[in-house]
Amino acid sequence: EVQLVESGGGLVQPGGSQRLSCAASGFTFTNHWMSWFRQAPGRGLEWVAIIKEDGSEKYYVDSVKGRFTISRDNAKNSLYLQMNSLRVEDTAVYYCARDGGNSWGQGTLVTVSS
Amino acid sequence: DVVMTQSPLSLPVTLGQPASISCRSSQSLVFSDGDTYLIWFQQRPGQSPRRLIYKISNRDSGVPDRFSGSGSGTDFTLKISRVEAEDVGVYYCMQSTHWPHTFGQGTRLEIK
Repeated sequence: EVQLVESGGGLVQPGGSQRLSCAASGFTFTNHWMSWFRQAPGRGLEWVAIIKEDGSEKYYVDSVKGRFTISRDNAKNSLYLQMNSLRVEDTAVYYCARDGGNSWGQGTLVTVSS
Repeated sequence: DVVMTQSPLSLPVTLGQPASISCRSSQSLVFSDGDTYLIWFQQRPGQSPRRLIYKISNRDSGVPDRFSGSGSGTDFTLKISRVEAEDVGVYYCMQSTHWPHTFGQGTRLEIK
């Protein structure tokens, strides 16, 4: 069974940093692109970033380019999202997902507020 | 960016009746490989999203066959043949043909 478990959310001040992690199990991690999505409170879904199986390609939504970095550690079956220069509008539940969304984690809430 | 426009945004449906959601893209979603990367997700209240349909019309494992997807190019539809109580939630279309991947606004399905 595919399992994706996010962690690392919490309260952070504007301008601060946060690192999210996603532990994957139940499938061959190295065979899949991995994605981050987010959902602001009461709002719709937004695709954030995606990384190729070997980490050689990464793509981002414009609003996070230069501030967020997606990465992965295939030896640890883990996906990461390093978020810097956080803004109030980055407040959301962040989900990791396999490929373009065929399996999702439960999400982790990041709140950016002073 | 490709703009995805869903309608209606709110969909009250009687149990056992059909439902239909439209999703239109601002440009063609046909990829260079000939496939069209149009996906439908369901998000039940308080839950993570779940993929229902990929590449326009392919149902994911475990998805009831009352869900079907159709369309081509820029115009797509998700149909539920007979709505059940467990179908309550928000439905999103998403395109993954072009970067960045983009979602529709979501359609909230409720029981009348």
